Amino acid sequence: DTGVSQNPRHKITKRGQNVTFRCDPISEHNRLYWYRQTLGQGPEFLTYFQNEAQLEKSRLLSDRFSAERPKGSFSTLEIQRTEQGDSAMYLCASSLDQRFTDTQYFGPGTRLTVL
Amino acid sequence: DAKTTQPPSMDCAEGRAANLPCNHSTISGNEYVYWYRQIHSQGPQYIIHGLKNNETNEMASLIITEDRKSSTLILPHATLRDTAVYYCIVRANTGNQFYFGTGTSLTVIP
Repeated sequence: DTGVSQNPRHKITKRGQNVTFRCDPISEHNRLYWYRQTLGQGPEFLTYFQNEAQLEKSRLLSDRFSAERPKGSFSTLEIQRTEQGDSAMYLCASSLDQRFTDTQYFGPGTRLTVL
Repeated sequence: DAKTTQPPSMDCAEGRAANLPCNHSTISGNEYVYWYRQIHSQGPQYIIHGLKNNETNEMASLIITEDRKSSTLILPHATLRDTAVYYCIVRANTGNQFYFGTGTSLTVIP
């Protein structure tokens, strides 16, 4: 399968714990995005990487959230001191930056439940 | 990026064409129209996108009005597997994120 993969698919944690999610993009894609989706809402943008550089962050990305893409390939999203309000689906997408198109392809998501 | 307006829900009979409308009256000249769909508990799936010409691929057709203020996604022969939330997004090709909104929940009825 050459699509975007995310691990784990599900994560249950207790409030106050740290969690880390991983995203493996489509291999030749140089752009990588993180989104968050809560029940009944569309995905909301969190942050975006061009190769290894984090170029944009949403106001939704509080200081408890950090994302990395150390070698311009896979990315990790860490949430420190989780809160119940962090419970959501975390989606990763990747794209190939081309002149006239930048279609994003999404992974299956990681569903986080904070107890 | 321009905002979009979609009906919250629609039904379609299996085997019939599903026509999903989207209004984007504030779209600017360099903004593309993208359509994605999301089947329950899965990641969004790309369907199609266009700038001003009508587009067709193996999944759907996209009809954009001449003034570009609205568009219609057409699933020519809807099946039960097409039941999903459909998102219409407009985005400049230089933009870095999609604004999804709440989409249209399409139910295909046997």
